[in-house]
Amino acid sequence: QVQLVESGGGVVQPGGSLRLSCAASGLTFSSNGMHWVRQAPGKGLEWVAFIHYDGISKYYADSVKGRFTISRDNSKDTLFLQLHSLRTDDTAVYYCAKRESGYGWDVFDIWGQGTMVTVSS
Amino acid sequence: EIVLTQSPGTLSLSPGERATLSCRASQSVSRSSLAWYQQKPGQAPRLLIYGASSRATDIPDRFSVSGSGTDFTLTISRLEPEDFAVYYCQHYGSSQYSFGQGTKLEIK
Repeated sequence: QVQLVESGGGVVQPGGSLRLSCAASGLTFSSNGMHWVRQAPGKGLEWVAFIHYDGISKYYADSVKGRFTISRDNSKDTLFLQLHSLRTDDTAVYYCAKRESGYGWDVFDIWGQGTMVTVSS
Repeated sequence: EIVLTQSPGTLSLSPGERATLSCRASQSVSRSSLAWYQQKPGQAPRLLIYGASSRATDIPDRFSVSGSGTDFTLTISRLEPEDFAVYYCQHYGSSQYSFGQGTKLEIK
């Protein structure tokens, strides 16, 4: 079955950097757009970034634009999120999610289990 | 950017009762552009309903959606114990994605 497994989370100081990975299996990764979504402790869901199947088009939430970079390696079925200039309010569980879309709709149909990023001094 | 506001923040009901969860958009959107997710403690969200009224894989037919314009409703016709969770609505438009803040459905 389709599986997404995130890794790379941890504790980092404010201003620091981190790279998250999401390994995909059970799907044709190179044919699917992919997202990162985060959830601060006890809070709701916040979309972070999206990358098209070919890695060319990328979209970001305003809260992370210029600090985070989404990328992918289709030869390794892996999605990445590079986090720079981290702030305490970036503390969250980061999920990768597969995009599914149709006429008039665009959703997150498969989710990983998440990886925790804690920004603290 | 479309802002989604969900109400109530918490809904306390008993198994067997009917649940009605609201999602209000800051401007008119098509029902097909809204989706709903369920999240249980310690788990990732799960897609429930998308594309106006399509249920995701293995989602029972006690889950349904209605509404138009700016006001939308997720209805759970008869609550089962496994339905108590947090529910989020989500919108896509103009290369941006947004979520409501969630409604917690708890056992009364």
